[in-house]
Amino acid sequence: RKEVEQDPGPFNVPEGATVAFNCTYSNSASQSFFWYRQDCRKEPKLLMSVYSSGNEDGRFTAQLNRASQYISLLIRDSKLSDSATYLCVVNGGTDSWGKFQFGAGTQVVVTP
Amino acid sequence: DGGITQSPKYLFRKEGQNVTLSCEQNLNHDAMYWYRQDPGQGLRLIYYSQIVNDFQKGDIAEGYSVSREKKESFPLTVTSAQKNPTAFYLCASSITSGRRETQYFGPGTRLLVL
Repeated sequence: RKEVEQDPGPFNVPEGATVAFNCTYSNSASQSFFWYRQDCRKEPKLLMSVYSSGNEDGRFTAQLNRASQYISLLIRDSKLSDSATYLCVVNGGTDSWGKFQFGAGTQVVVTP
Repeated sequence: DGGITQSPKYLFRKEGQNVTLSCEQNLNHDAMYWYRQDPGQGLRLIYYSQIVNDFQKGDIAEGYSVSREKKESFPLTVTSAQKNPTAFYLCASSITSGRRETQYFGPGTRLLVL
């Protein structure tokens, strides 16, 4: 079983709609959680960290469910520019240096 | 302008050749990382370094070597022992705040075998 699993998609989303997807992780000791955005043939860019209480950044909302070991990302009012692959990243904290685990990504395609 | 730079953007390797990928950061980050990304897969850790003159093997270190002589620089050498080197190579550095370590990535180098 992979340590971090994501639905690869693609999620085809009409412009202006809402899309949400999850990421599950296997290490219950994981401390830090992140969503990165990766455009085709580019590097991953940090979208947002995910905090225990959930957090929002503009149209993006991230949630953490420790009991069920998943994080989620919701995108409201989708824009064409939101089309990308979204990577889920999990880290065991400073007791686990270098132990970032990456999901393979969820592809989102926003259509006009 | 702070950030992480990688060069070259594209690199072509001949059979039996060693090649070196450059990674430089001016963010004053202590930790640096090398990852490999293949289509449809998550990033896989090759090597990482927490401090100067120290580095650790990641999950797929075979056929690769690194050095960390300066805080700003973490070059990766792909040796002839790496039989399937074609991939997108990403360098990252990280900053720690409390117990949270956050990574930032360079623009990547695409390595192709001729």
